[in-house]
Formats: sequence, C-alpha cells, structure tokens
Amino acid sequence: NAGVTQTPKFRVLKTGQSMTLLCAQDMNHEYMYWYRQDPGMGLRLIHYSVGEGTTAKGEVPDGYNVSRLKKQNFLLGLESAAPSQTSVYFCASSYGDEAFFGQGTRLTVV
Amino acid sequence: SQKIEQNSEALNIQEGKTATLTCNYTNYSPAYLQWYRQDPGRGPVFLLLIRENEKEKRKERLKVTFDTTLKQSLFHITASQPADSATYLCALDNSGNTPLVFGKGTRLSVIA
Repeated sequence: NAGVTQTPKFRVLKTGQSMTLLCAQDMNHEYMYWYRQDPGMGLRLIHYSVGEGTTAKGEVPDGYNVSRLKKQNFLLGLESAAPSQTSVYFCASSYGDEAFFGQGTRLTVV
Repeated sequence: SQKIEQNSEALNIQEGKTATLTCNYTNYSPAYLQWYRQDPGRGPVFLLLIRENEKEKRKERLKVTFDTTLKQSLFHITASQPADSATYLCALDNSGNTPLVFGKGTRLSVIA
C-alpha cells in the first residue's frame, strides 16, 4: 500500500499562473483533506471532502478550489497563484478519526 | 473564539528524562483528541488517540491524558531518546465527524 501520495513534491509558480495539486489514497477512505502549513501558523484546513462528489470549505479556502470526482483522488487547484500561497501543502485521508498524511508539496509563488 | 494552544514552541530535555507536552483548547467540545509526530520535511504521523470518556492512554513509552474539565491534554514521553526529537502536534475534532483542527506544535529536542 502506498498510503497517501501527493504530486508534485516541489513546484515554483509565477504570480498569476494556475496549477493543480493531486492527492491519491489507496486505503478506501471516505474523508480527504487539504491543509497548508506555514511557519508559526501550524496546519490550517483549506478544503475537505466527506465522500466522492462532495467538498466543503475549511478555515482558509479563498484562492483555492477542489474536486473529488473519484473516491481515491482529491485535487486542489490554484486558479491565479499569489505569493501569499507560498506554503507547504499536505493532503490527508481518514476513515473517521486517525488521519494519514502525504509527504507534502512545497509550493513557491514568485 | 476557538483556540488550540500547545504550551511552548520548543522544549529541550536531557536524554533519559520524561518530556511533557501540553495542549489546551478553548470553545471546542471534542469527541477525541489526537497526537501526531512530524519530522522535518515530512507529513505528520499519527501516534495516539484518546476519547472524551478516557482519562489516560498508553503506547510503549508514550502516555496521553485528557481532562475535559480543564480542557487539556498532556503528552508524555518517558525515557526520552535523541530519536524522539521532532515536532509534536495535538489535534481535535469538534463534536465528532468534523475535520481535525491542529495546534501549532511543540518542537522537542532531546539532548544526549
């Protein structure tokens, strides 16, 4: 089992560019989450999904969109990247309580 | 407002001593509280979960307590080792079936 896999691991974007971060899990989990982690801020929830075809906003959703077309995948999109979106992004999945995290995507917006 | 506070950003202890980390919360009613370990450049890894009706949970050298009256959880690592050096995060739900909310973490350094 691979667990939770994030693609890509690193990316540099120019302001205004768009990109999609992919999260894939092979544990058949219903719940999936996108967090961002910034120094001194801890992990903050961007969006989450409680099942295929559903999404909901978290604490810091502005500037991001998500889709969960398949149970095993959760996509995070940045339509027009801003320097404030420079961060490490973590995807996680769970069956209800314990969360399994991916290895993170380090995104820099210049 | 809702807050989760971990007592300190960084904690240094001597090898062999017990490390105690604190997590306090305000305006949450968690069904459970969890502790995670995060190493540099890696995602958090689950360590322990304690439910609201449990006072204490143990796993090898780890012990977690949960006091819903004080709104506090304590995380202990006994006989600490340099390999225990990492950032430890507490996380809780809010009345169940909600995404985990995380504290900012405590960076533990165990000095040989």
